[in-house]
Amino acid sequence: ELKVEQNPLFLSMQEGKNYTIYCNYSTTSDRLYWYRQDPGKSLESLFVLLSNGAVKQEGRLMASLDTKARLSTLHITAAVHDLSATYFCAVDSGGGSNYKLTFGKGTLLTVNP
Amino acid sequence: DAGVIQSPRHEVTEMGQEVTLRCKPISGHNSLFWYRQTMMRGLELLIYFNNNVPIDDSGMPEDRFSAKMPNASFSTLKIQPSEPRDSAVYFCASSLGQVETQYFGPGTRLLVL
Repeated sequence: ELKVEQNPLFLSMQEGKNYTIYCNYSTTSDRLYWYRQDPGKSLESLFVLLSNGAVKQEGRLMASLDTKARLSTLHITAAVHDLSATYFCAVDSGGGSNYKLTFGKGTLLTVNP
Repeated sequence: DAGVIQSPRHEVTEMGQEVTLRCKPISGHNSLFWYRQTMMRGLELLIYFNNNVPIDDSGMPEDRFSAKMPNASFSTLKIQPSEPRDSAVYFCASSLGQVETQYFGPGTRLLVL
């Protein structure tokens, strides 16, 4: 059974600081997704990483995927309050044409002024 | 586009009652997913459809749960009979293909008393 572990689960940081959220997974996969969820809201897709070495950036967020290490990172640069949310990584464990997303527990990020 | 539409947004029912959750995917999307989110178990994939055909229902917790997709623009998730442990937020998501970005609906908050 695929296990997806995120750390940290809780992150409190100051505005302007940098930090990285880690997502480790237990079986081979080259499809990884990052989502954001605001309190009481739905999930919003941030990044789709579909190959080893993939790197994507949007604003202050940058995601990368290392399939050999079974690791993805979400790097936050110069955090601002608006980034406060829960961030989830999700890994596709199906392989080929079969498809099954397993989510991590999420990282609750709080950015303080 | 209106995005993924779910109804009802909130549902309160008594144990033993039948509950039907509805989802309208984004027009043109051919994959549809049902998820459940709880504090204890996080986000879980219940079932997904590709071109209206159920592909993987291994996440459906038990026989009390059933899902249908009679056409490309409508899906239902039914719980009969409902139990208090079914209380959760149920999300529907759709995508252009199985590995493409998933767009989540606003969710249905279900409380079974």
